[in-house]
Amino acid sequence: DIQMTQSPSSLSASKGDRVTITCQASQDIDNYLNWYQVKPGKAPKLLIYGAFTLQTGVPSRFSGSRSGTDFTFTISSLQPEDIATYYCQQYAHSPPYTFGQGTKLELK
Amino acid sequence: QVQLQESGPGLVKPSGTLSLTCAVCGGSITSDNWWSWVRQSPGKGLEWIGEVHRSGTTNYNPSLKSRVTISMDNSKNQFSLNLRSVTAADTALYYCAFAISGQRYFDCWGQGTLVSVSS
Repeated sequence: DIQMTQSPSSLSASKGDRVTITCQASQDIDNYLNWYQVKPGKAPKLLIYGAFTLQTGVPSRFSGSRSGTDFTFTISSLQPEDIATYYCQQYAHSPPYTFGQGTKLELK
Repeated sequence: QVQLQESGPGLVKPSGTLSLTCAVCGGSITSDNWWSWVRQSPGKGLEWIGEVHRSGTTNYNPSLKSRVTISMDNSKNQFSLNLRSVTAADTALYYCAFAISGQRYFDCWGQGTLVSVSS
């Protein structure tokens, strides 16, 4: 199975801060890396797919990038509504489709 | 816009079978989608359980494969999860989700249903 190592596990930031989360794949997954936002009591939300592509309706302050097997998720200016847990997920090869351990984002 | 809604017992006894259903609204279960189950155990991350396609093809996480069955009910426009021989480690928030065939991401998720395994 492909392992996804996500960091940090938790993060505290202030409104307006730039926030960065990283995910490293244990092998080449091309650009098949997605980012989801999970809030308690709500359905998880797809934010970015294919490492870079913003899902329709997602604010442009969210972005994704890739360098080899390292992937980065960025919020350029943190808003209170962004408080959530974020997960990366690889969907490259045959199943299982594995997730990172998650990053819990809190407001300072 | 497709919407998914999980349902099933919130409490299952150890060694029993966990059975959940995901109702598909605003779309057809026979669409060219892969219908999946994902869970989140307390204090842990997301774990993909398995998927089913209208062709009848199923794929399961090797870690759960021996205990899992995912099936479709076209007449009720829903799909189901059966997880046998459950233990406390199977206590989790269970989500259903789908990926359009050829698109490698979960486009839509249900809100999740909490299942506890306890006597």
